[in-house]
Amino acid sequence: EVQLVQSGAEVKKPGESLKISCKGSGYSFTSYWIGWVRQMPGKGLEWMGIIYPGDSDTRYSPSFQGQVTISADKSISTAYLQWSSLKASDTAMYYCARLDVLRFLGYWGQGTLVTVSS
Amino acid sequence: EIVLTQSPGTLSLSPGERATLSCRASQSVSTNYLAWYQQKPGQAPRLVVYGASSRATGIPDRFSGSGSGTDFTLTISRLEPEDLAVYYCQQYGTSPTFGRGTKVEIK
Repeated sequence: EVQLVQSGAEVKKPGESLKISCKGSGYSFTSYWIGWVRQMPGKGLEWMGIIYPGDSDTRYSPSFQGQVTISADKSISTAYLQWSSLKASDTAMYYCARLDVLRFLGYWGQGTLVTVSS
Repeated sequence: EIVLTQSPGTLSLSPGERATLSCRASQSVSTNYLAWYQQKPGQAPRLVVYGASSRATGIPDRFSGSGSGTDFTLTISRLEPEDLAVYYCQQYGTSPTFGRGTKVEIK
């Protein structure tokens, strides 16, 4: 069974750094792209970017380029989303999802809630 | 960037009624790379339809997708109470984007 399990909720202050994770199981982690999607409170879904864990090829949405870093450690089947300096506007639920071969999002993690507040 | 416009914003229907959700793209969606996702309150999104008209595994056959080019539709033939959710369309071409969602309410 394909599963994506994300790390737990985080509460941070503005300016702090953060790295959240998404661990894949039940499939060949290096053979499928992983995507990250943001959902701000009460709002819709936003595409952030994707990574191919097999070779760490990474693509960012223009809106998120330079704002976050997506990475992966294939040895432990885990993808990451990180910030070097959080802002209050980063408060949101973040989902990872596995891209099917045809590139739709077939499997989703449960989400990680990030709250940034002074 | 392809902009997806979903309508209506909210749909309020009674159980057993037919729900028709629209997703219009600002330019043609290549190879019908159009998906629909269902997000129930407090849950992660779930794939409902991909390739504009292919139902995902485990999705009831009352859900159907149609359309091509710039106009796509998700139809729920007979609404059930558990269909209460926000439905998002997504084009998953070179630079994927989501629509803003249609909220389906059950009267």
